[in-house]
Amino acid sequence: EAQVTQNPRYLITVTGKKLTVTCSQNMNHEYMSWYRQDPGLGLRQIYYSMNVEVTDKGDVPEGYKVSRKEKRNFPLILESPSPNQTSLYFCASSLFGGGGLTYNEQFFGPGTRLTVL
Amino acid sequence: AQTVTQSQPEMSVQEAETVTLSCTYDTSESDYYLFWYKQPPSRQMILVIRQEAYKQQNATENRFSVNFQKAAKSFSLKISDSQLGDAAMYFCAYRTGNQFYFGTGTSLTVIP
Repeated sequence: EAQVTQNPRYLITVTGKKLTVTCSQNMNHEYMSWYRQDPGLGLRQIYYSMNVEVTDKGDVPEGYKVSRKEKRNFPLILESPSPNQTSLYFCASSLFGGGGLTYNEQFFGPGTRLTVL
Repeated sequence: AQTVTQSQPEMSVQEAETVTLSCTYDTSESDYYLFWYKQPPSRQMILVIRQEAYKQQNATENRFSVNFQKAAKSFSLKISDSQLGDAAMYFCAYRTGNQFYFGTGTSLTVIP
């Protein structure tokens, strides 16, 4: 089954304790992206990756790191989490990014609910 | 900066009736895509409908259709024959290049 998986689905942690949220897709997609969702703010893009070893900042990258060492995986790293990073996080992928006339549907993972105390 | 505005935080509709959700966006780009996503209580993001900016014809997917007004930068979603399963948060989204921008969402309630 084609899907984007995220782990963990729920996480409660404390300020300053490094954590990683994993994201994996089995569709051989080149483009992957992370979003955070907060009430009243919608979804905001954190980072995206065009392909292996190619990443770039979205709208809200502060406090986050990503890596893309393999095509299927795109982990989100919070090296020193703070309470303002409490949020619902989504990973998504599509066949490839870029503009132009080619449409690529973005597939979303199930979300990770993160609470930082 | 690109922005997507959904001015209706909450909407309600009677079952079997029609409802329209509003969305406006701000961009200086000429190539872009617009989307409506549905997020039910399960939190899963589900693509409802998409529109390519270069297409003049409004997109339609079964009971869902859009009114795309490029000059006005408006992209509204019309849901016909509303069903209880349509109750969800709806997000308008804009994509240009590699970046996506989402609106703040409209919570739709369907009244039996």
